[in-house]
Amino acid sequence: KQEVTQIPAALSVPEGENLVLNCSFTDSAIYNLQWFRQDPGKGLTSLLLIQSSQREQTSGRLNASLDKSSGRSTLYIAASQPGDSATYLCAVRDSGNTPLVFGKGTRLSVIA
Amino acid sequence: SQTIHQWPATLVQPVGSPLSLECTVEGTSNPNLYWYRQAAGRGLQLLFYSVGIGQISSEVPQNLSASRPQDRQFILSSKKLLLSDSGFYLCAWTRQRGETQYFGPGTRLLVL
Repeated sequence: KQEVTQIPAALSVPEGENLVLNCSFTDSAIYNLQWFRQDPGKGLTSLLLIQSSQREQTSGRLNASLDKSSGRSTLYIAASQPGDSATYLCAVRDSGNTPLVFGKGTRLSVIA
Repeated sequence: SQTIHQWPATLVQPVGSPLSLECTVEGTSNPNLYWYRQAAGRGLQLLFYSVGIGQISSEVPQNLSASRPQDRQFILSSKKLLLSDSGFYLCAWTRQRGETQYFGPGTRLLVL
């Protein structure tokens, strides 16, 4: 059974720092991996989707990498801003029609 | 473009009362649909998912049920709410082959 772990559970950094959020999964035979952001009391916003054949995806200051063989993904945030403060969730899909399996998230606080 | 709606946004219900939460997707056809619950301090729990009209898969045995009466409508129901049903309920959709998953704004349910 696929399990997704995100470390650390919480992270606090000063504004302007580059940071990395980690995600690991137990079964490397995944279909794709998706990173989300959730603001308090809100739904999840999709940030990046990486297909199993891809190594990384970029959107603005965000870069997500995927290493299937080691069961890991990282989300890199460059030049962090207070507006980046949120919970970031990683999720993997094992096949095209199976549900996403979520990690418990990393709560990020960027201090001005 | 596609949008996903959930209502109501907030609901306060007494223990033992019935529940009906609605989710509707616009701008796509034949989506995969999902219901999740997020309880305070806990991760995202998949409750039900559907790959087509009348096709419902249940992930967790409980007093909740789901129905998909139309292609883009997904309903979460209960005949008698429990205190433990309190939480944040999120609906989500993907295209049939499990591409990017999009979430609705959520319904916050408080059972008293």
